[in-house]
Amino acid sequence: AQRVTQPEKLLSVFKGAPVELKCNYSYSGSPELFWYVQYSRQRLQLLLRHISRESIKGFTADLNKGETSFHLKKPFAQEEDSAMYYCALNTGRRALTFGSGTRLQVQP
Amino acid sequence: GAVVSQHPSRVICKSGTSVKIECRSLDFQATTMFWYRQFPKQSLMLMATSNEGSKATYEQGVEKDKFLINHASLTLSTLTVTSAHPEDSSFYICSAETGDPYEQYFGPGTRLTVT
Repeated sequence: AQRVTQPEKLLSVFKGAPVELKCNYSYSGSPELFWYVQYSRQRLQLLLRHISRESIKGFTADLNKGETSFHLKKPFAQEEDSAMYYCALNTGRRALTFGSGTRLQVQP
Repeated sequence: GAVVSQHPSRVICKSGTSVKIECRSLDFQATTMFWYRQFPKQSLMLMATSNEGSKATYEQGVEKDKFLINHASLTLSTLTVTSAHPEDSSFYICSAETGDPYEQYFGPGTRLTVT
C-alpha cells in the first residue's frame, strides 16, 4: 500500500536560514508527488508538484526515485512561510495520500 | 484559481441526529470530489471518492451506511453523517479535482461537534 512519511512534526528555524522539510514515500508504481501548504485559518492549497519542476515562493522539491524522497527546500526562510506543510502522493487512483504534516515555524 | 466551498463551516448536533455537509465547486465542474477527515493535529484521511452520477467509493473501514455521499451534479457533493455519535466529531474536508493539469482544490472544511 502507498504511504507518505514526514518524520518531523515541527521544524523551527530563524528568518534567513535554509529550510528542508522531509518527505519519503512508498509506492511500487510511478508516483506523482505534491506539496500542500495550510496557513493559519486558511484552507489547504497546492504549493507545488513534482512534474512541473517549478519554484513557488522560493520553494523547490526534487523527486528522488532512488531514495523515494520528495523533500521541500527553501534557501532563505521568511516569517510568512510559517505554516503547516503536507506532502501528498497520487498513485493514479486520483485520491491523495497525505503525510502527517510538518509545522514550520520561522522565528524573527 | 478554482474555488471550493463547504457549508456549514461548523455545526453542533446532538447524538443520534443526522447532519448534512455540502461541498460545491463554484467556478468549475468536478466529476470527482473527495471527502477527507482530519483529527486534531493529524493528517487528512481519505474517507471516500464521490463520483457524479454514480455510487461513492469508500475507503476501507469507512461505514457507507453511516457516511452517506451523494454527488447529484457536477458542482455539488453532499456528505450526510447519520445517527451521529460523539466519536464522529471531527473536521471534514472536501476537495474537487480538475483535469489537465491534475489538481485537487480543497474546501475550507466543516467542524462537526456531536454532543
